[in-house]
Amino acid sequence: GEQVEQLPSSLIVQEGASVLINCSYTDSASVYFPWYKQEPGKRLQFIIDIRSNMERKQTQRLTLLFDKKTKHLSLHITATQPGDSAIYFCSASRNSNNRIFFGDGTQLVVKP
Amino acid sequence: EAAVTQSPRNKVAVTGGKVTLSCNQTNNHNNMYWYRQDTGHGLRLIHYSYGAGSTEKGDIPDGYKASRPSQENFSLILELATPSQTSVYFCASGGQQNTLYFGAGTRLSVL
Repeated sequence: GEQVEQLPSSLIVQEGASVLINCSYTDSASVYFPWYKQEPGKRLQFIIDIRSNMERKQTQRLTLLFDKKTKHLSLHITATQPGDSAIYFCSASRNSNNRIFFGDGTQLVVKP
Repeated sequence: EAAVTQSPRNKVAVTGGKVTLSCNQTNNHNNMYWYRQDTGHGLRLIHYSYGAGSTEKGDIPDGYKASRPSQENFSLILELATPSQTSVYFCASGGQQNTLYFGAGTRLSVL
């Protein structure tokens, strides 16, 4: 089945820095890649997604890049704030009637 | 906004006891999921459902049963709870896009 890997597993940065979270997947039939953020003690919340027919998507300080050839995604967060401290999860699925596979998450700590 | 409600939020159970975790969604989503989250393991899928009356096994179904009596409700049942099932459990619903909406989680301790 699909395997989703995230790197790094953890990041500590100073407020204002930019960070890059990498995600790779194995199933070439996966077409939809939503990302989620989980603040300490809270539920996971959707933050951004991309489909396999796109290469880039941006919303506010988040930019998501997708490379279908290498089966690789990267989430770029600019001008980080302490409120960005959370675990970030990459996920992959084929379509709405198929399983969703999650990476193990990247723990981001932004120090003020 | 889409709403997924889990109950109870916290539960302490004894080894060998029966535990039922409930999940209700008002999104009219067909798909619902139960995950557990443990440090170092990310999210692991226990059971999922494509609609009322259907349940499917996920990656770690042993020791768990699921029930989907209606579109809105999806329960996770631990017939004989064990300490290894101490964890945080998340329910989620998903629509056509397969974007998931998560509940707030249930923290279960099995003593």
